[in-house]
This record gives sequence, structure tokens and C-alpha cells, in this order.
Amino acid sequence: DTAVSQTPKYLVTQMGNDKSIKCEQNLGHDTMYWYKQDSKKFLKIMFSYNNKELIINETVPNRFSPKSPDKAHLNLHINSLELGDSAVYFCASRGMNTEAFFGQGTRLTVV
Amino acid sequence: DAKTTQPNSMESNEEEPVHLPCNHSTISGTDYIHWYRQLPSQGPEYVIHGLTSNVNNRMASLAIAEDRKSSTLILHRATLRDAAVYYCILRSSSNFGNEKLTFGTGTRLTIIP
Repeated sequence: DTAVSQTPKYLVTQMGNDKSIKCEQNLGHDTMYWYKQDSKKFLKIMFSYNNKELIINETVPNRFSPKSPDKAHLNLHINSLELGDSAVYFCASRGMNTEAFFGQGTRLTVV
Repeated sequence: DAKTTQPNSMESNEEEPVHLPCNHSTISGTDYIHWYRQLPSQGPEYVIHGLTSNVNNRMASLAIAEDRKSSTLILHRATLRDAAVYYCILRSSSNFGNEKLTFGTGTRLTIIP
């Protein structure tokens, strides 16, 4: 069983489109995150949710809207995609006093 | 977040020990030292963490300086599968729920066959 799974793994789309990336964790963790890894391989946190509540929003454009329907899911919706949004997006989860578990990433390419 | 400093890259021969250093001179008393690694085309994965004492697990050992201003991740016998970017991260234990793992640039470890 995959602990943190993201779909899709690859996403190619045109500028201006709206797309969603889904994330699910089966670890029973309370906290989930979205990270962005750009072309220079720098990993930067975007959002953190704890028990479905937004905890951290790292000055991400309003075009990015996370949604947590329940503790096990944290989806990322992106409106009006721009070329600069091309990156690998990682979902992660963490429980109380545990390490973080990361998904395999979603490579988003905006053309 | 307290900052960590790591060398950009290191090389090691296969089946030899590797010592990956990390400086964290502004560490606070509630900060745990975490190490994660990212294998090519994968998400980061946890390696080890510690507070004050040295730690061992099946993947690696963590040696923490007495003043806690530096630490060293030790891979006892590197294999080709250990080639990855290794991140040293400080995580406060005093603010659960509002924590974030802040990744630096890490050390890119190359293993030479």
C-alpha cells in the first residue's frame, strides 16, 4: 500500500487552463502539506493543513487553492495556469511525533 | 526557522563510509535535527533525526556535536542506491501543527562505483 499517493503523476496543460492534483494518505496523519520543487530543485512549502484546517499559506498566489475534504485528502486546484507554474508538486503528511512521508510527486508542465 | 549549512556536493566510493556534515549554529533548545534524502525522480524520504544524543537506525547514524551547533550524517557503507540529495533540517518541537519542514539546498552525494 502506498502511504501518500498523488494523481496524476504527469500533467501537461496549456496556459490559462485550470487543473487539479489529488493527494491521499492512508497513514491516519493529521497534518498534510503541499510543496513545490522548481527547475533548480529547490523545495518550497506552499500549504499545510492540520485536521482539515489551513495552518500555513506561504504567500502562494490566489490561483492556488488547496482543499481538504477530510483528513486523508488534500487536493490542490490551480486556476489560470502560467508557464512559471511548471514544477514538480509534492504532497506530504505527518502525524504527531512522526516523520513526514512524501508522495512521488506530480510533474506539471505548462505549455 | 533556524538555518542549516551543508556542502553543495560530495563524492564517495562505493562500500566506503560517508560523513555528511551540517552546520546549524543558531539552533535553539527545542529544535530537532532531521535528515531527509531525495533519490532521483522521487519524493524526499526520512532518514534519521535526533535532539542531543547520537542516534542509529537501519539507514544511518547521526552524530550530534556536544554544543549542538553541528551534526554529521554517517552512511556506514555507501551503495549506489545512496546517491541522492541529503537535506539537514531543523524542526522545532514547540509548535506542533504549525510546523513546516524548511528544505535548504542540501548536499548532492555521488557514489563512485
